[in-house]
Amino acid sequence: EAGVTQSPTHLIKTRGQQVTLRCSPISGHTSVYWYQQALGLGLQFLLWYDEGEERNRGNFPPRFSGRQFPNYSSELNVNALELEDSALYLCASSLVGSASSYNEQFFGPGTRLTVL
Amino acid sequence: GDSVTQMEGPVTLSEEAFLTINCTYTATGYPSLFWYVQYPGEGLQLLLKATKADDKGSNKGFEATYRKETTSFHLEKGSVQVSDSAVYFCALLNTGFQKLVFGTGTRLLVSP
Repeated sequence: EAGVTQSPTHLIKTRGQQVTLRCSPISGHTSVYWYQQALGLGLQFLLWYDEGEERNRGNFPPRFSGRQFPNYSSELNVNALELEDSALYLCASSLVGSASSYNEQFFGPGTRLTVL
Repeated sequence: GDSVTQMEGPVTLSEEAFLTINCTYTATGYPSLFWYVQYPGEGLQLLLKATKADDKGSNKGFEATYRKETTSFHLEKGSVQVSDSAVYFCALLNTGFQKLVFGTGTRLLVSP
């Protein structure tokens, strides 16, 4: 069974540009999560999508946005890139999350974004 | 807010040495606790988990016990191997928000 896949693997952009990262969850998983792993800041939660809806958002500015498609794949968009957006962006998926139970989040290999 | 504190690295050990990586947490309610491992150039893999107080998670020789009284979830292994060299992350999750809160990670280097 295929795991979580992400594209592209690496990306180089300049300040002010916009970028779109893509994630395909494990088959049967309906929840997708995005995390940022920036040097010196550790792993931080960005977004959670389930059934096409944004369910939770981390402490990031509005220029970080995303969406989930009917096939449960997801995109993360970052507008007006800043140098500090350079990071590894990890996507994870799980069976449907709920307020009362936990389903394991399986992580993809990540997209490394470099902003020059 | 919720937070996780884990020991600074790198931790450098010889093969077959005993490993302890300390992790403490601050959280509202009763979170689930996890250890994830990240091998070079790869994403995160769940190593073990514990969902309630006094639970012991174990996998591949690694163990951690959920200690509510000390708000800790220390990772241990009796005999490390070179292949265990990686970065280890302690994390918690409160199910209501479905977001993992991670510690800063501890790099483990095991030499032959």
